[in-house]
Formats: sequence, C-alpha cells, structure tokens
Amino acid sequence: SQTIHQWPATLVQPVGSPLSLECTVEGTSNPNLYWYRQAAGRGLQLLFYSVGIGQISSEVPQNLSASRPQDRQFILSSKKLLLSDSGFYLCAWSWGAPETQYFGPGTRLLVL
Amino acid sequence: KNQVEQSPQSLIILEGKNCTLQCNYTVSPFSNLRWYKQDTGRGPVSLTIMTFSENTKSNGRYTATLDADTKQSSLHITASQLSDSASYICVVQGNTDKLIFGTGTRLQVFP
Repeated sequence: SQTIHQWPATLVQPVGSPLSLECTVEGTSNPNLYWYRQAAGRGLQLLFYSVGIGQISSEVPQNLSASRPQDRQFILSSKKLLLSDSGFYLCAWSWGAPETQYFGPGTRLLVL
Repeated sequence: KNQVEQSPQSLIILEGKNCTLQCNYTVSPFSNLRWYKQDTGRGPVSLTIMTFSENTKSNGRYTATLDADTKQSSLHITASQLSDSASYICVVQGNTDKLIFGTGTRLQVFP
C-alpha cells in the first residue's frame, strides 16, 4: 500500500531564516506530486506540482521553491522566510485517472 | 473565473441527525468533482469522486450528488457521529490537472 510522509509536523522559524520541508511517498512509482498551502480560514492553494524527477511547475509567484531530486521525494524550500509564509503545508500524490489525490499529514509552519 | 463555493460555512448538529452540505461551482469545462474530509490539523481524505456522467455516489454514511447541468453538488451525511466533526471540502477538476478547492464547511457534531 502507498503511504506519504511529511516532516517536520510543526515548525517555528524566525523571519529571514531558510526553510526546507520534505515529502516522501512509498509504494508507488512515478507519482504526480503536489505542494499546497492552507492559510487559516482559506481554501487549499496549489503552490507547485511535479510530473517527474526535476520537473517542477509553479502555480503562483512567491517566496518559495520546490525540487524533486528523486522519484518519490518532493522538497519545499525558501531562502528567506516571510511572515506571510505561515500556514499549513500539505504534500499530495496522485496517479492514474481520474486522479484521486492522497494527502500527507501536513506541516504547520509559524514564522515569527 | 473558475470558482467553487460551499455552504454553509459552518454547521452544528446533534449526534444521530442527518445533514446536507452544498457546493456550487463555475468551473468549465468540467472533468470531475470530489469531496474530501479534513480533520483539524490533518491532511484531507478523499470521500467520493464523481465524473460528468455520475449523479450520485455513496461511501458508507456519506452520499454525494452531482447535477452537472446546474453545476451543483451536495454531500449528505446520515446518522451523524461525533467523528464526523471535521471540515468538508468540495474540489472540482476542469480539463487540466489542476484542482480548484472550495473553502470548506466546518461541521461540528455534538452529543
């Protein structure tokens, strides 16, 4: 069976510090991978998606970047965090059609 | 503009009662509509997914309906349980890989 992991679960970082959130998927090959952000009281916003190693599409201009160094690894990064980067970050994977997306447990990021 | 709107924004019901959540969308063309359940602080979990040709789909006590002509969907929860307390998110996919998320309905079930 497939599982998706995210870490850390929670993170408190000062403004201007770097960020690295990791997501890994087990039990599947060549999944589509996604990073979402969920701000308080807001819907899920797609940040990045990837259909393969090294292939990253960005949905919105922002302070964040994503990388996919391995087939089942997706990393969300920032060089300098902003207050507005606070939120709940969710990684998801999908495969096949129609694509049901399976979400990870999420990382709650608080930038102070 | 492609949008997904859900109502009510929040809902409180007593354990054992039924409830219905609404989702209206303007996404066109339409590929499929999904309902997710999201417990507080957790990732969303898929409940149902319906394509254009399907107008109802059940998953246990959850029954989703879809009217692609009026672009409306509902999620009916039967005999609610305390564990049904969560946010329910309607998600619509158009003709691309992109999903458009509603802001959700926050359901609270009290004993």
